[in-house]
Amino acid sequence: AQSVTQLDSHVSVSEGTPVLLRCNYSSSYSPSLFWYVQHPNKGLQLLLKYTSAATLVKGINGFEAEFKKSETSFHLTKPSAHMSDAAEYFCVVSDRGSGNTGKLIFGQGTTLQVKP
Amino acid sequence: NAGVMQNPRHLVRRRGQEARLRCSPMKGHSHVYWYRQLPEEGLKFMVYLQKENIIDESGMPKERFSAEFPKEGPSILRIQQVVRGDSAAYFCASSPPEGQRNSPLHFGNGTRLTVT
Repeated sequence: AQSVTQLDSHVSVSEGTPVLLRCNYSSSYSPSLFWYVQHPNKGLQLLLKYTSAATLVKGINGFEAEFKKSETSFHLTKPSAHMSDAAEYFCVVSDRGSGNTGKLIFGQGTTLQVKP
Repeated sequence: NAGVMQNPRHLVRRRGQEARLRCSPMKGHSHVYWYRQLPEEGLKFMVYLQKENIIDESGMPKERFSAEFPKEGPSILRIQQVVRGDSAAYFCASSPPEGQRNSPLHFGNGTRLTVT
């Protein structure tokens, strides 16, 4: 069975400093992994996705994530935080075992706070 | 190109009433997914539909909840005899038809249901 664990429920950084949001996954299959961002009272926006191509995935707004099979990790990073990055971030794996590739399994979320 | 459209954005119902949530997928998308987000949690898969077919309803509660995606018109998630525990944000997502299965889901802005 597939699952994702977001290791931090809350991360606080200062504007201009690096961001690291941690995610570990468990999958019996070669996983498809995603990071989504959710701003307050809004829908989810896809930041980036990994689907077994390059292990370093670049997304929108300067975010990137590295797929590390040996560590079963897919951490999200950004070199310099901006105030507008404050939001909820979800690490997500596609439940390939169900045969329904639109069935996504979400982590619990990490709230990113950016201080001026 | 309009994204996934959900309405209403906010819905208040008293216990025992019915709630109807509507979702129009992106243009050209024929697959619709419904997810529920309880407070302080990630999203949980409910149901996957194609036009006039329920493909996977493994995440739907056994009672009071139903979903449809008719040949014409939006997809509807229906909750009968709502209870306080149904209060949540309900998100709809869509994806292209078969042959584009690596495309990520596109989410709407959600319907926030409050049961009083």
